[in-house]
Amino acid sequence: IQLTQSPSFLSASVGDRVTISCRASQDITTYLVWYQQKPGKAPELLIYAASTLQSGVPSRFSGSGSGTEFTLTISSLQPEDVATYYCQQLNSFPPYTFGQGTKLEIK
Amino acid sequence: EVHLVESGGGLVKPGGSLRLSCAASGFIFSRYNMNWVRQVPGRGLEWVSSIDPSGRSIYYVDSVKGRFTISRDNANNSVFLQMNSLRAEDTAIYYCTRDVHYYDTDGYYWGQGTLVTVSS
Repeated sequence: IQLTQSPSFLSASVGDRVTISCRASQDITTYLVWYQQKPGKAPELLIYAASTLQSGVPSRFSGSGSGTEFTLTISSLQPEDVATYYCQQLNSFPPYTFGQGTKLEIK
Repeated sequence: EVHLVESGGGLVKPGGSLRLSCAASGFIFSRYNMNWVRQVPGRGLEWVSSIDPSGRSIYYVDSVKGRFTISRDNANNSVFLQMNSLRAEDTAIYYCTRDVHYYDTDGYYWGQGTLVTVSS
């Protein structure tokens, strides 16, 4: 299963609503998660089961979608959200592929 | 708190071997799937291998099949990745990860990673 994220690079202003898309090459129901990776750090889980917020993650992050189309939304961009964001599909058996990443910066 | 600490990375020549270890703490290790994920510095993430709690169900990405072996020691809360016949394209940061939930595949907790460099 291939995952295609868009855009690959995103520049937005503090307070903006930001949307990142992830498209799967086949139906993965809701077995889709989102990670945030800050420079020099390991990824951290933001969203699992497509739309469930991981404990401790700020409520400005949300996820939606099912089947083949998924979206990560940041409702009001903050400076600490500068990072690369990855989706991963965990449908059925491995390989559990990742999207290629979306690098988010502040304008 | 989930704590995963990788070790064993380093510089190795093409064709050589390396064994990565991951020491886990803060949870009941024998209940969870464990995984290895790698990342070429500055590039994306690649799932490498997974092992179930019993150690009987094991999976690999195609590019490492026959060369890498994942294993675990539930008595000592550790998971391992034996890497043989290493290639330049295996150069990456290797992360040890744990499934967030023992009952479903809902994403991972991550260690800090260990760098493997394959170069002559």
